[in-house]
Amino acid sequence: SQKIEQNSEALNIQEGKTATLTCNYTNYSPAYLQWYRQDPGRGPVFLLLIRENEKEKRKERLKVTFDTTLKQSLFHITASQPADSATYLCALDGVDSSYKLIFGSGTRLLVRP
Amino acid sequence: GAVVSQHPSRVICKSGTSVKIECRSLDFQATTMFWYRQFPKKSLMLMATSNEGSKATYEQGVEKDKFLINHASLTLSTLTVTSAHPEDSSFYICSARRDGSSYNSPLHFGNGTRLTVT
Repeated sequence: SQKIEQNSEALNIQEGKTATLTCNYTNYSPAYLQWYRQDPGRGPVFLLLIRENEKEKRKERLKVTFDTTLKQSLFHITASQPADSATYLCALDGVDSSYKLIFGSGTRLLVRP
Repeated sequence: GAVVSQHPSRVICKSGTSVKIECRSLDFQATTMFWYRQFPKKSLMLMATSNEGSKATYEQGVEKDKFLINHASLTLSTLTVTSAHPEDSSFYICSARRDGSSYNSPLHFGNGTRLTVT
């Protein structure tokens, strides 16, 4: 069956450290993968998009990798800050002709001051 | 950046009544909008794809007669939850891509509607 999985347990780290979140999928072949941030009671906000032929993408303190062999994406936040505390969602894009995104359940990140 | 506005942000209604949720793209035209539902600590579940000027495409298991979608203009899509029941209580979020029907572009989300059915 088709699955997209993110670690359901919260990731709790100290300010200044690097947070690494994982997104694994099975039985999908996405052309792109996107990452979003969601704060409580709000809609998700787009962060980064990576194509299947890109191994890595960076934006300021954020870095995303995409390994289509492992069917995995890693999302890194370097020099983390308490303001980075939120739920982070990965989404598969280009899985079929419908233009819809398939979302993982998200991982909650808590950055302690 | 692209802005999607959703209204109302919260609504409480009685069982058996209907509730309409509006989703507007404020600074771009959206031929396609996506309606998601989210349970606490769960993933966004796509309910339907709203298409301007034509019928919505519903995901498997979503009742078309219960969740009525109308996409009457390039900037407005509405979701009506008909004859609401407590199990319909959830967080409903709409979204659209600035670049319309294409991959490789981000989804812009509204801020969601918290529906509580008593």
